[in-house]
Amino acid sequence: GENVEQHPSTLSVQEGDSAVIKCTYSDSASNYFPWYKQELGKGPQLIIDIRSNVGEKKDQRIAVTLNKTAKHFSLHITETQPEDSAVYFCAASIGGGADGLTFGKGTHLIIQP
Amino acid sequence: NAGVMQNPRHLVRRRGQEARLRCSPMKGHSHVYWYRQLPEEGLKFMVYLQKENIIDESGMPKERFSAEFPKEGPSILRIQQVVRGDSAAYFCASSPLGRSNQPQHFGDGTRLSIL
Repeated sequence: GENVEQHPSTLSVQEGDSAVIKCTYSDSASNYFPWYKQELGKGPQLIIDIRSNVGEKKDQRIAVTLNKTAKHFSLHITETQPEDSAVYFCAASIGGGADGLTFGKGTHLIIQP
Repeated sequence: NAGVMQNPRHLVRRRGQEARLRCSPMKGHSHVYWYRQLPEEGLKFMVYLQKENIIDESGMPKERFSAEFPKEGPSILRIQQVVRGDSAAYFCASSPLGRSNQPQHFGDGTRLSIL
């Protein structure tokens, strides 16, 4: 089955700097890659997603890139703010998101004031 | 427009008891997914259901665990004869049609503690 590796497990950046979180996947049939943000005591919240027919997608300060050949995808957050502090999860799906998602283990992002 | 609703938010059970977790999907969503999250871990897929049907239960333990999504009412994840290892956060997600291009939206979970 699919396996998703996520790095780093913890990332501390200064407010205003950029943060990059990277994930790799094992199943070349995966075609949908969402990113979720989880705050303490809450459920995961979808922040951006990308499909395999696209190499990059951007939404304001958040962008995701996908390299299908290398089977990795990354989340980029620019101009980080204190409210960006949370745990971020990448995930992969072979069913376009209609099947069960395979998640990475998460990255704890800490924004230092 | 209410999101995915899960209850209870916290559930405490003693070993050997039964746990019932409920999930009401977003309005207009007919597909439900259950995931389990252990501390400091990512979410693990358990089961995918649509109304009155189990589509994929490949991530659900064969014994003690069952799930349903009846024609009327919420989806239920049932754990019989709970053990300490069942302690985790259980999340439900829903999507409108269970087809591509439909993101999964999550509830805030049920934290299950086994004494």
